[in-house]
Amino acid sequence: SAVISQKPSRDICQRGTSLTIQCQVDSQVTMMFWYRQQPGQSLTLIATANQGSEATYESGFVIDKFPISRPNLTFSTLTVSNMSPEDSSIYLCSVGADTQYFGPGTRLTVL
Amino acid sequence: QKEVEQDPGPLSVPEGAIVSLNCTYSNSAFQYFMWYRQYSRKGPELLMYTYSSGNKEDGRFTAQVDKSSKYISLFIRDSQPSDSATYLCAMSDRYGNKLVFGAGTILRVKS
Repeated sequence: SAVISQKPSRDICQRGTSLTIQCQVDSQVTMMFWYRQQPGQSLTLIATANQGSEATYESGFVIDKFPISRPNLTFSTLTVSNMSPEDSSIYLCSVGADTQYFGPGTRLTVL
Repeated sequence: QKEVEQDPGPLSVPEGAIVSLNCTYSNSAFQYFMWYRQYSRKGPELLMYTYSSGNKEDGRFTAQVDKSSKYISLFIRDSQPSDSATYLCAMSDRYGNKLVFGAGTILRVKS
């Protein structure tokens, strides 16, 4: 399985600001995924990011709020824009095809 | 109705007990079934992966899939305190990309 790292591991941000989360994989992968895990809840897919194309967003998630970059086959970023306390969650990236492997997550608190 | 239903627990068992964790689902298109273990403040770790119906065993863990009943199970034999974690079921369709997660079951194994 791939080794996945995320930065930052945690952050506390003020309302109205933006945070960019980085995801780095130790091998080249076609598809990367971004999930949100709200407090006490399960994982919800935000978007799928393929290298060289626009990310595909799930219902309820929009590019203006969660812009994603995928500049190469080992790296992706997710930005959480114009944050509100409701954005306080763990954000996780994953890679894989029929199974997925997850990074350690970024714990975001918005005040 | 959620696509995947999972009792959130918590489930508390004594050390050495056999643990049974279950999920039901409504989407007959699901063909890939996974169990993840998530320790507090960590990303989900893939435990078991099964394609279509049947059983799969790996050490103390056995995964079962019954597609006719839309029901999957994870059994843990000789449970240990180190098994204390949240267990998430996840599944996807034949394309294997979008994972749909259950709510997760909190397991506590008491020594």
